[in-house]
Amino acid sequence: KAGVTQTPRYLIKTRGQQVTLSCSPISGHRSVSWYQQTPGQGLQFLFEYFSETQRNKGNFPGRFSGRQFSNSRSEMNVSTLELGDSALYLCASSLEGTGVNEQFFGPGTRLTVL
Amino acid sequence: QKEVEQDPGPLSVPEGAIVSLNCTYSNSAFQYFMWYRQYSRKGPELLMYTYSSGNKEDGRFTAQVDKSSKYISLFIRDSQPSDSATYLCAMSPFANSGGSNYKLTFGKGTLLTVNP
Repeated sequence: KAGVTQTPRYLIKTRGQQVTLSCSPISGHRSVSWYQQTPGQGLQFLFEYFSETQRNKGNFPGRFSGRQFSNSRSEMNVSTLELGDSALYLCASSLEGTGVNEQFFGPGTRLTVL
Repeated sequence: QKEVEQDPGPLSVPEGAIVSLNCTYSNSAFQYFMWYRQYSRKGPELLMYTYSSGNKEDGRFTAQVDKSSKYISLFIRDSQPSDSATYLCAMSPFANSGGSNYKLTFGKGTLLTVNP
């Protein structure tokens, strides 16, 4: 079974631009979460989508947004990029069910803002 | 005070050593405690999870939770060079993403190097 895939793997943008990152979850997984990972703050939760609806949201400004499509693929968008947005953006998918839902992470998209 | 505190290390040990990794937390609502391992240029992968207080063992790995002290630990026995990675603790009030306000709260990670 293929794992979580994220595209692109690396991205360089300049301040003020916007960017869209893509995530394809494991087949059959309907929950997709996004995280930002930086050396200073570690892994921080951005938002979670299930069945095309945002269910949970972290403490990030409105410049960060996302969506989920009917095939569970998800995109996140960051508008008006700032230098501090440089980070590894990780997507994780999970299978709804009983017990602890393991989140399977993709390799991430490394975003550099110049 | 951050919700989850984890010593970033780095931690360097010889092969075969017992490794102890720890996190403290402040949110009493946390019920589920997880340890993730992240290799360089990869996403985190779940190693173990525990519910509430107690111990859980899986091969060379043992996870401990002490809710009274708000302290969790991961022990690695007979450490191997392949264990070299960043170890992240993570916590949640709920078992799965169906719960309201579900999210994983992570520590910043401890970089471990096991030297052959």
